[in-house]
Amino acid sequence: SAVISQKPSRDICQRGTSLTIQCQVDSQVTMMFWYRQQPGQSLTLIATANQGSEATYESGFVIDKFPISRPNLTFSTLTVSNMSPEDSSIYLCSVEGQGAPGANVLTFGAGSRLTVL
Amino acid sequence: DAKTTQPPSMDCAEGRAANLPCNHSTISGNEYVYWYRQIHSQGPQYIIHGLKNNETNEMASLIITEDRKSSTLILPHATLRDTAVYYCIVRVAHNNNDMRFGAGTRLTVKP
Repeated sequence: SAVISQKPSRDICQRGTSLTIQCQVDSQVTMMFWYRQQPGQSLTLIATANQGSEATYESGFVIDKFPISRPNLTFSTLTVSNMSPEDSSIYLCSVEGQGAPGANVLTFGAGSRLTVL
Repeated sequence: DAKTTQPPSMDCAEGRAANLPCNHSTISGNEYVYWYRQIHSQGPQYIIHGLKNNETNEMASLIITEDRKSSTLILPHATLRDTAVYYCIVRVAHNNNDMRFGAGTRLTVKP
């Protein structure tokens, strides 16, 4: 399975600022996914990022707040813009593996833990 | 995609089998059952998946009922390192942009 590196692993930010999270994969992948995990909660899909096209956002998430870049098949960034304490979460990058029908499972990065003061 | 129902928490003694249930009564014929787990401070990890047959790998076994409305993940000899939140997810194959995580089951393996 793919190996995913996320940066930063954690950060503490001031409200009103923006932070860009990087996701680097050790192999070329078509689809990359960004998730948010709020404290004590499960994972929520933010958006799907395909190389060469605009990201597709889930209900409740907008591009102005969470702009995503996908410049190539191994890299993506998620920016959390104009942060507020409610944005304090773990942000996770994931990629889709290749395999037999039904076996294209997701591999996740370790996540970026963001605290907004 | 079908929704799933899992107990919020379970305990298991170290060395014993851990049996984690999942109900997915509205599952469609082309939807697979996937299990992931999330150990504290890590990203989720894939465990196993199946369509209608029981499956086994080096990590666990998956038992799917004949009507496919429920399944059980079995960790045959639980260790302390198996303490994690376990997520049961159903979705159509090749549709990872619809991988919806529910609340999961928090399994605590006790010595």
